[in-house]
Amino acid sequence: EPEVTQTPSHQVTQMGQEVILRCVPISNHLYFYWYRQILGQKVEFLVSFYNNEISEKSEIFDDQFSVERPDGSNFTLKIRSTKLEDSAMYFCASSDFSPVTQYFGPGTRLTVL
Amino acid sequence: GQQLNQSPQSMFIQEGEDVSMNCTSSSIFNTWLWYKQDPGEGPVLLIALYKAGELTSNGRLTAQFGITRKDSFLNISASIPSDVGIYFCAGLEYGNKLVFGAGTILRVKS
Repeated sequence: EPEVTQTPSHQVTQMGQEVILRCVPISNHLYFYWYRQILGQKVEFLVSFYNNEISEKSEIFDDQFSVERPDGSNFTLKIRSTKLEDSAMYFCASSDFSPVTQYFGPGTRLTVL
Repeated sequence: GQQLNQSPQSMFIQEGEDVSMNCTSSSIFNTWLWYKQDPGEGPVLLIALYKAGELTSNGRLTAQFGITRKDSFLNISASIPSDVGIYFCAGLEYGNKLVFGAGTILRVKS
């Protein structure tokens, strides 16, 4: 069964450093998303991406964040200058033509020291 | 933004028992979803509800979308140890943004 994959599974970085989280969505999907989950809290929407542009973003997704689909298979989330409060699980998701059935990846745990 | 309130926050039940959890919102959602999250994994979609009053089943799971579109419940019948996990309700907001509740932690005693 097709699945969303994410790398790395765990990323440790120093405060102020740039990180890039990578995702490979399901191959024929058209919509791509990033969510985050701070430890013990609920999953929060960050951004959605369709047709090579951001279609929606939350107030969390400030100028420090950016997304890119550099080729036909990868979808990345970049955090330019990480802060301690960026420590969380980051989930990538994708959906085909319907935003309802979003399939989530296993997540990347980001730890900012 | 819209908020979803889930209850209970956690449950500890005996294997074989039925489980019920619910979710309420102050605002209307057009689509309501239930996800399960296992430790270290991403959320997995269990059931999607599209119409007010809709009752949908998926194996031992049954979910209903409230008439007012502001609430939903999820029932699990005859719980088994692998039902352990966190259950999230989520509403699909305008566009394609999912708004999640805080989750119900389910622990099953065998």
